[in-house]
Amino acid sequence: NAGVTQTPKFQVLKTGQSMTLQCAQDMNHNSMYWYRQDPGMGLRLIYYSASEGTTDKGEVPNGYNVSRLNKREFSLRLESAAPSQTSVYFCASSERGFTDTQYFGPGTRLTVL
Amino acid sequence: EDKVVQSPLSLVVHEGDTVTLNCSYEVTNFRSLLWYKQEKKAPTFLFMLTSSGIEKKSGRLSSILDKKELFSILNITATQTGDSAVYLCACHNAGNMLTFGGGTRLMVKP
Repeated sequence: NAGVTQTPKFQVLKTGQSMTLQCAQDMNHNSMYWYRQDPGMGLRLIYYSASEGTTDKGEVPNGYNVSRLNKREFSLRLESAAPSQTSVYFCASSERGFTDTQYFGPGTRLTVL
Repeated sequence: EDKVVQSPLSLVVHEGDTVTLNCSYEVTNFRSLLWYKQEKKAPTFLFMLTSSGIEKKSGRLSSILDKKELFSILNITATQTGDSAVYLCACHNAGNMLTFGGGTRLMVKP
């Protein structure tokens, strides 16, 4: 039982490059989330998926797209990376909804030059 | 099991009033406490608190953490109708779990 896994752990991109962050959970959770965390700030929600087949914007969705590929997997795509997207990205899942305990992956540290 | 409890459950005030929302927690390997405002679907981040006694402030909102007594308060002064929302408190532990409280529903009447 691996919980929530994310790949890659680290990534360096040049401005304008694209990439996809992968996330998978094996807890049979319905809801999945993508957050970013910048220094001194808490977790800000980028996108979430309340259940398989649905996705919704969070607080800071601009510059990102997501895909809920199936119940297990929720990917985050940066189409044209910008330096402002330098951050640590966390994927999380919960059984159902925000106020259920969310379980986090180990994070991806992304640097955009 | 980690627990986060918010009070009151709901609150109705008039514009201009000051409100204090409470969040108490029992969290193993506590890392940080976060406050969010939820108006429609997704919550928006307000504050992250990691150290006791240091007030975080943003406009009319402020928050402080007491790690000895295991609670935090969120103050809103000179409330406005736009402050009407559900306010969520969440605790992040070192095991990478985020536990939310049940929220306080605030309604500000004109």
